[in-house]
Amino acid sequence: DIVMTQSPDSLAVSLGERATINCKSSQSVLYRSNNKNYLAWYQQKPGQPPKLLIHWASTRESGVPDRFSGSGSGTDFTLTISSLQAEDVAVYFCQQYYSTPHTFGQGTKLEIK
Amino acid sequence: EVQLVESGGGLVHPGGSLTLSCAASGFTFSNYWMHWVRQVPGKGLVWVARINSDASTTTYADSVKGRFTISRDNAKNTLYVQMNSLRAEDTAVYYCARVTGVAARLGAFDLWGQGTMVTVSS
Repeated sequence: DIVMTQSPDSLAVSLGERATINCKSSQSVLYRSNNKNYLAWYQQKPGQPPKLLIHWASTRESGVPDRFSGSGSGTDFTLTISSLQAEDVAVYFCQQYYSTPHTFGQGTKLEIK
Repeated sequence: EVQLVESGGGLVHPGGSLTLSCAASGFTFSNYWMHWVRQVPGKGLVWVARINSDASTTTYADSVKGRFTISRDNAKNTLYVQMNSLRAEDTAVYYCARVTGVAARLGAFDLWGQGTMVTVSS
C-alpha cells in the first residue's frame, strides 16, 4: 500500500498570510505514460463531507478559489493557500489514486492565528 | 441537483449485518466508477471499496475483504455496500463518492454524499 504522510499535523496562520501543507507518498504516484500525478487535495469542514480542491496534483477543481494551488511531482506535494481567509479553517487531506487502496494522508488541521 | 444521498446507517451488534445505500441524482450514474470511504468521527479518511460503471469489477480494502460487498443498480441509480460480520472497528461515518470523469477508472472523488453513521456495539 502507498502510505501518505502529511506535515504538519496542525497549522495556525494569520488571516491574509500564506499557508503551506506538505504531503509525501511512500512511492511515486506519477504515471509516466501520461505524465500525470495521481494526487488530490480535499478540504473538510466540521460536519461536512470532504470537498475536492485539487486533482492531478495541480488542477484546481471548478469553483475553487484561485488562492488554492497545488504543486509537486513524484512523491512530494504541496497545497498552498496564498492568502488565508476565515472560511479556509478546515482539515485538509491529500489522497493518492494511483493504485488501490486509494490512501489518504492523516490530515492537517488549519486554524487562524 | 447533482447529489449523492446515503442511508441505512444505525446501531448494530458485533457480528451483525447492515446494508448501506447511496442514491444518486442529477447525473448519469451508470457512467461513473463509485467508491465507499469511511471516517471515524474526528479521525482520517479510509478507502473501503470501489465498483466500476457496469458492476463487473470490484475492489476492496484488506480490512473489509470477505465481509463487505459493494454493488450497484444502475436502473435505480443506487450504490450499495452490504456489510457482514461487523466489528467494533467498523464504526464510522460511511461516505459514497463519485470518481471525476466519465468512465474513469482512476480519478479523484469529485462528488460525496453527506455520510451515514454506522455504530457497531453491544
